[in-house]
Amino acid sequence: KAGVTQTPRYLIKTRGQQVTLSCSPISGHRSVSWYQQTPGQGLQFLFEYFSETQRNKGNFPGRFSGRQFSNSRSEMNVSTLELGDSALYLCASSLVAGGPGELFFGEGSRLTVL
Amino acid sequence: DQQVKQNSPSLSVQEGRISILNCDYTNSMFDYFLWYKKYPAEGPTFLISISSIKDKNEDGRFTVFLNKSAKHLSLHIVPSQPGDSAVYFCAARLRGSQGNLIFGKGTKLSVKP
Repeated sequence: KAGVTQTPRYLIKTRGQQVTLSCSPISGHRSVSWYQQTPGQGLQFLFEYFSETQRNKGNFPGRFSGRQFSNSRSEMNVSTLELGDSALYLCASSLVAGGPGELFFGEGSRLTVL
Repeated sequence: DQQVKQNSPSLSVQEGRISILNCDYTNSMFDYFLWYKKYPAEGPTFLISISSIKDKNEDGRFTVFLNKSAKHLSLHIVPSQPGDSAVYFCAARLRGSQGNLIFGKGTKLSVKP
């Protein structure tokens, strides 16, 4: 079974630009969550999507947005990039059935903002 | 305010001995606790979880203990192997949430041969 796939793996942007990251969940998984990992803050929840609807949103500014498509693939977008947005962005998928919350993570997209 | 805390940023253990990783939490509304392992340049990998109504869960070399009165959980790895060297994250899930986990900042475990 293929795992969670994230693209691109690495990217470099400059301040003020925008970026779109993509995530393909494990086949059959309908829930997709996004996390930001930085050395100082650790892993922080961005948002969660299920059936194309955002179910939860973390404490991030409106520059961070996402969406989910009918095939469960998801994208997240960060507009007007700031230096502090440099981070590893992780996508995770899960089966939604009220289970133990086990998330399957992709390898992440490492964003560097110059 | 950190709801999930891992107070030890690093831990070094000899191969074959027990590794004990600790985690404290503050929110009584967590219904599941999970441990993830992360190698460099990879995403976190799920290890083991425990429901808030249990006090112990075991899976092979990995055992998680939950002490609700102390709001404390620990992961025991016995015996420790060099391949266990990684960063371990404790995470907690709020009741009613599925994909929203609150993570600790991690403990880097080094298992020396």
